Amino acid sequence: DADVTQTPRNRITKTGKRIMLECSQTKGHDRMYWYRQDPGLGLRLIYYSFDVKDINKGEISDGYSVSRQAQAKFSLSLESAIPNQTALYFCATSDVAGAGGRFEQFFGPGTRLTVL
Amino acid sequence: AQKVTQAQTEISVVEKEDVTLDCVYETRDTTYYLFWYKQPPSGELVFLIRRNSFDEQNEISGRYSWNFQKSTSSFNFTITASQVVDSAVYFCALSEPMDSNYQLIWGAGTKLIIKP
Repeated sequence: DADVTQTPRNRITKTGKRIMLECSQTKGHDRMYWYRQDPGLGLRLIYYSFDVKDINKGEISDGYSVSRQAQAKFSLSLESAIPNQTALYFCATSDVAGAGGRFEQFFGPGTRLTVL
Repeated sequence: AQKVTQAQTEISVVEKEDVTLDCVYETRDTTYYLFWYKQPPSGELVFLIRRNSFDEQNEISGRYSWNFQKSTSSFNFTITASQVVDSAVYFCALSEPMDSNYQLIWGAGTKLIIKP
């Protein structure tokens, strides 16, 4: 089974709808991240969480919110979706940094979201 | 400010040719980490390598090799005897403890096309 899973894998929705993307991990990592990927722009960080009580905005948090329900679960919400939020969304996890911790990020398979 | 530049937007070579993907980074920290990820056409992001700033040894893994040069702030990736399955987008990323609290700063990616 995959270590980092995302649901749904694909979603088509309409402008103004509320959408939730879910991420679960079995890696036991404390840190979790949400990114979006647009063609030619690489990955941009939306939100990140260092533990259940620590949530931080990333580079492009406007229009998004998150919830860290448990160490293993991190959800991304679009309260009122708009067409320019059409993108590929990735969840990632990493171990605690420093002191020899391995903190490369491990990614879920991605969610392709289309907002019409 | 930290920054990662992958100047090659797209590279196309014929199978069995060697190809080098360039990555140039900017950082003020003396301790930092560099990464390469692969994104095949299926869309998932696959971790390839992590290198810390104290270890300038080049690394080889099968047909893949990485050349880290602090003097030129570069961390280039070479594929020897390329194969069609190497076709993917490759991302270079930088992580620093001080300025970014170990967040990954991503390059825009290089699309590698291997023609049969």
